[in-house]
Amino acid sequence: QQPVQSPQAVILREGEDAVINCSSSKALYSVHWYRQKHGEAPVFLMILLKGGEQKGHDKISASFNEKKQQSSLYLTASQLSYSGTYFCGTEMDSSYKLIFGSGTRLLVRP
Amino acid sequence: DSGVTQTPKHLITATGQRVTLRCSPRSGDLSVYWYQQSLDQGLQFLIQYYNGEERAKGNILERFSAQQFPDLHSELNLSSLELGDSALYFCASSGTGARDGYTFGSGTRLTVV
Repeated sequence: QQPVQSPQAVILREGEDAVINCSSSKALYSVHWYRQKHGEAPVFLMILLKGGEQKGHDKISASFNEKKQQSSLYLTASQLSYSGTYFCGTEMDSSYKLIFGSGTRLLVRP
Repeated sequence: DSGVTQTPKHLITATGQRVTLRCSPRSGDLSVYWYQQSLDQGLQFLIQYYNGEERAKGNILERFSAQQFPDLHSELNLSSLELGDSALYFCASSGTGARDGYTFGSGTRLTVV
């Protein structure tokens, strides 16, 4: 039931792009994305809903493939502040449970 | 400040003891969620409350219990504590049951010695 995230870790140079993937074996209602910096609380980035509705931040984009039950988070022109662990959370219909993946560690270097 | 308040920030207690963690949700949010995060691990869903009622349960141990009060604050009670219960416990809140993002509190770091 836990979604699978890939890659587990990625190192970028400032200005490079990255894609983080999240997949589920179950039909999903929504996919959430959060970023957590070490020792801090997770911060909401993006939610993608079944049917295509999307809410999030301007500088981060994401997609949700309902047929494949996969979501991808796109980080373009990465900045040092993008460093942290990215978690996807998935929710199935009427479950009211947001189950998080194991996370993707992103490090952006100067 | 996210608007979600968790107290205490740190807690050190002995095995076998009982503790209570408190969470005040963001103003206007009716849903409260509890998550456990062990060292360098992911976020494990424990339980969710909506407007005072339990709505969903995750892998919450029988030694753990929670409730949400009429003023919407929530408490997570952990009893018969074991070393393995040491973790960061997060509370999050969200809007009126709609598909909004979660706002997390800063967490309570529990250390069982």
